Parts: sequence; structure tokens; C-alpha cells
Amino acid sequence: RKEVEQDPGPFNVPEGATVAFNCTYSNSASQSFFWYRQDCRKEPKLLMSVYSSGNEDGRFTAQLNRASQYISLLIRDSKLSDSATYLCVVIGDYKLSFGAGTTVTVRA
Amino acid sequence: DTEVTQTPKHLVMGMTNKKSLKCEQHMGHRAMYWYKQKAKKPPELMFVYSYEKLSINESVPSRFSPECPNSSLLNLHLHALQPEDSALYLCASRADRAMNTEAFFGQGTRLTVV
Repeated sequence: RKEVEQDPGPFNVPEGATVAFNCTYSNSASQSFFWYRQDCRKEPKLLMSVYSSGNEDGRFTAQLNRASQYISLLIRDSKLSDSATYLCVVIGDYKLSFGAGTTVTVRA
Repeated sequence: DTEVTQTPKHLVMGMTNKKSLKCEQHMGHRAMYWYKQKAKKPPELMFVYSYEKLSINESVPSRFSPECPNSSLLNLHLHALQPEDSALYLCASRADRAMNTEAFFGQGTRLTVV
């Protein structure tokens, strides 16, 4: 079983739509969680950390469910510039473990 | 300065060549990582350095040889690579591998082995 499993998509949504996707992790001792964004042929960049109580950053909302061992990302009012691959990252045992990435394409 | 700098950005090398990738950060981070990323795949961990000592080697072939000369610098020495080693090589750093802090990534070196 992979350490981190992620809904691969692709999600193809119109501008203004809401899109949400999840990521599950297998190590119950995992300590911290992040969403990264990666554009084509670029490096991953931190989108947001994920806190136990859930957190919001503008149009982006992240949730953590420790009991079910998953994190989620919701994007409201999608913009064309949100088109990217979103990677969930789970830290445990000193390693960063990546999900396979969820591809989101926002169309005009 | 929240930057991780990698050089070169692009590298083409033959299977008999020896080359090195360089990664530098001046954030005072004590954990540094090498990742390999193939197209449409997530980054795969290769090595982790903590306080300039190698702490994790993910069973990487010996044709890849990491080196951490000081707390700001991480190198990856390449020798006798295969075409399947062509990939984007990413360096990352974190404040400390034991802390719950995010990783900062360099822009990567796009390596092509011919």
C-alpha cells in the first residue's frame, strides 16, 4: 500500500466552479501535512499547510481528518491560473511523502 | 531569503561522463533532500541529509553520490548514468527534519542522459 494515495483527477472545471479532492495517508503517526502546487516543468511550491482544525487561505480551504487519515483541498471560484497539479505531502518518520498529484484544469 | 538555488538548470551528459549537480540555501536549514521526478509522476526521495550527515538513502544506485560539504550546500555527483536516469532532479530544504515545517524546493536540474 502506498504511503500517500491521492485522487488523480483530472478535474476539468469551468471558471468560477468549486473543485475538491482528497488525499489519504497510511501512517497514523504522520505529523504534518501540506498542499503543494506544481506547474508543468516547474518545481513544487507550497500552497498551504493543513492544520487539525482546518484552515482557509483566500479561495482555498484545507481540511485534516486524523481519524480517517485523509486531507482535502477545496478551491472556490476557480480561476484559469489555478490550472496545475496539486500534490499532497505528508511528513512522518522525517520523510516527506508525496501523493501522485491531482491535475486540475480550469477552462474559460 | 527563502530561496533554494540549483545549478545547472539543464544538463545533457553522456553515459561515460562525470558531472555534479549543486544546491544551495542560506536559510539556516539543517535538513536537505534530493528528489528525482519523472514526467507526470510525483517526486521520489533519493537522499536526506541532516546536520550535514547522510541520514536516509532510499536504495539509490551508487552511480549517484551525494555530498554535503557544509550546512548551506548539497551536491549530487553523477557517474556512468543510464538514459533512464533522465529526469528533473529537485533539491529541497527544511529547517530541521524533526520539525513540522514545510520544505522549500529549488527550481530543479533537468537532466538528459544520452
